[in-house]
Amino acid sequence: GQNIDQPTEMTATEGAIVQINCTYQTSGFNGLFWYQQHAGEAPTFLSYNVLDGLEEKGRFSSFLSRSKGYSYLLLKELQMKDSASYLCAVRDQGDSSYKLIFGSGTRLLVRP
Amino acid sequence: GAVVSQHPSWVICKSGTSVKIECRSLDFQATTMFWYRQFPKQSLMLMATSNEGSKATYEQGVEKDKFLINHASLTLSTLTVTSAHPEDSSFYICSARPSGAFSYEQYFGPGTRLTVT
Repeated sequence: GQNIDQPTEMTATEGAIVQINCTYQTSGFNGLFWYQQHAGEAPTFLSYNVLDGLEEKGRFSSFLSRSKGYSYLLLKELQMKDSASYLCAVRDQGDSSYKLIFGSGTRLLVRP
Repeated sequence: GAVVSQHPSWVICKSGTSVKIECRSLDFQATTMFWYRQFPKQSLMLMATSNEGSKATYEQGVEKDKFLINHASLTLSTLTVTSAHPEDSSFYICSARPSGAFSYEQYFGPGTRLTVT
């Protein structure tokens, strides 16, 4: 079966750093995505990892360890606008449709 | 950047009626589009994969006769919720994957909020 786990909620302070973890157990693996979603809006793409290691993009970084079935999203210099849900999604290997399986999402609240 | 639109953005309908939701890729062609449903404070649940010119592939537990999907062109997919009931009230989001072997991204539409009374 497919199982993707994330913490339900996290709280952090403006200007701080927060790490959102994601563990997955899927029948195959062909890439892991992180999306940001504000309430009532569509998800927006943040990052994509298919090889082990860290991908950095401005204030956001994403890490992947395929052997551990583990990823994290690191947000630096938190801003109030970063309050949103963060969705981890895995693409199953061998699925030519490129469909994504989403985790339950992590609601991040950034406080002043 | 790649833009996906959905229409309508919100709709209220009476129980037993049908509602059609459109998903369009505005500046790229999409061989494959996906339809998701999202209940409040929950994540996206994939309903079906829509391929241009062929039948949609539905996820387990999704009734294909209730959720009709048509992908008639490379820029348009439609989802029709037939004989809608209050439990079908949800946020429906589509995404589109640009045609091309090396494209891994999906671009999401803004979503359609359906309320069935």
